[in-house]
Amino acid sequence: EDQVTQSPEALRLQEGESSSLNCSYTVSGLRGLFWYRQDPGKGPEFLFTLYSAGEEKEKERLKATLTKKESFLHITAPKPEDSATYLCAAQTGANNLFFGTGTRLTVIP
Amino acid sequence: NAGVTQTPKFRILKIGQSMTLQCAQDMNHNYMYWYRQDPGMGLKLIYYSVGAGITDKGEVPNGYNVSRSTTEDFPLRLELAAPSQTSVYFCASSYSTGANSPLHFGNGTRLTVT
Repeated sequence: EDQVTQSPEALRLQEGESSSLNCSYTVSGLRGLFWYRQDPGKGPEFLFTLYSAGEEKEKERLKATLTKKESFLHITAPKPEDSATYLCAAQTGANNLFFGTGTRLTVIP
Repeated sequence: NAGVTQTPKFRILKIGQSMTLQCAQDMNHNYMYWYRQDPGMGLKLIYYSVGAGITDKGEVPNGYNVSRSTTEDFPLRLELAAPSQTSVYFCASSYSTGANSPLHFGNGTRLTVT
């Protein structure tokens, strides 16, 4: 069964304290691994797409990496404005997109 | 560009009532989707459309209906509301179904059925 699991469910960091969020996937034929950011009361906002193991992408304080079994979202020196829920999703077909349940990140000033 | 616009933002329904959730996009995307998001669960696909006049079921279609008469609009209809349909509903669109075409989401409709 195709499945995406994110950990931890929630993460509290001090401002400047770097950490990583995990997205483990068990799917047949990965076409792309997506990361989205979701703020309270808003829809998910696209961050990155990773296509193959070994690929890395960066945006400001965020860096996403991909292996054959999992993806990590590394947050370097986070700021309070990075507080949000981060979702990952694995695409296996044209309309087959499996979402994880998200990691709720809180960055404390 | 407004992107994907959903209305209403909030709605409370009584069991058995009907309503339509509206979704419009101004990006000329052919592909549109309806998802529901429940606490502790990942987003689940309800219905999708690959273009005007063409719709298909997703993972959790029971209790819902859709139509796509124009490229811009993709309304979701609840005919007989049930408590199990209490959720946050997100509409999304994309340029294509390839992995190089991420979803653009609206800001959701929070629906409570009592």
